[in-house]
Amino acid sequence: AQSVSQHNHHVILSEAASLELGCNYSYGGTVNLFWYVQYPGQHLQLLLKYFSGDPLVKGIKGFEAEFIKSKFSFNLRKPSVQWSDTAEYFCAVNRNTGGFKTIFGAGTRLFVKA
Amino acid sequence: GAGVSQSPSNKVTEKGKDVELRCDPISGHTALYWYRQSLGQGLEFLIYFQGNSAPDKSGLPSDRFSAERTGGSVSTLTIQRTQQEDSAVYLCASRRQESAEKLFFGSGTQLSVL
Repeated sequence: AQSVSQHNHHVILSEAASLELGCNYSYGGTVNLFWYVQYPGQHLQLLLKYFSGDPLVKGIKGFEAEFIKSKFSFNLRKPSVQWSDTAEYFCAVNRNTGGFKTIFGAGTRLFVKA
Repeated sequence: GAGVSQSPSNKVTEKGKDVELRCDPISGHTALYWYRQSLGQGLEFLIYFQGNSAPDKSGLPSDRFSAERTGGSVSTLTIQRTQQEDSAVYLCASRRQESAEKLFFGSGTQLSVL
């Protein structure tokens, strides 16, 4: 079955630490990849997305993600986290076939200590 | 409307009762999803409506769950004979068309089954 795996369920970092959240997917073929973020008390919102082209994509608030096709991965990174990055992060995938049905990973809760 | 609207925001019910959750997508959005968010399970796909096509119901966990989308707009998720394990946040999301564009999420319905 098609799936999205996020390796870390809970991450605790101090401010200014670097962040990398793993995401792997099991889909074959052409995929579209997303990271969504849910800040406490807020709606889920898009952080960044990859459709094609440069596999290193940049999103809002200094986040970036790299698509590595050979590893079926789309890891999220930020060089220096802030307390305001405390949130839950979700990786998501869809394909150009199958009506662009979007499947999410289990999420990673990030807590940044001030 | 300005965003995806869900009602009620909170619902407390007794085990065995039926509940209906409502979603008003953004006007003109043809794709509509229902997800379930619970601790440790991330965002679980339930059902996907795409334009006039038959809905993808592959994520519904049991035959107690059903959903309709009337007139290509409002959607209702119905859970019959609720069980305690149905307690979760039920999220609705919509998208402008069947494409790789981002999803817009509502604030969810927190369902508690006593």
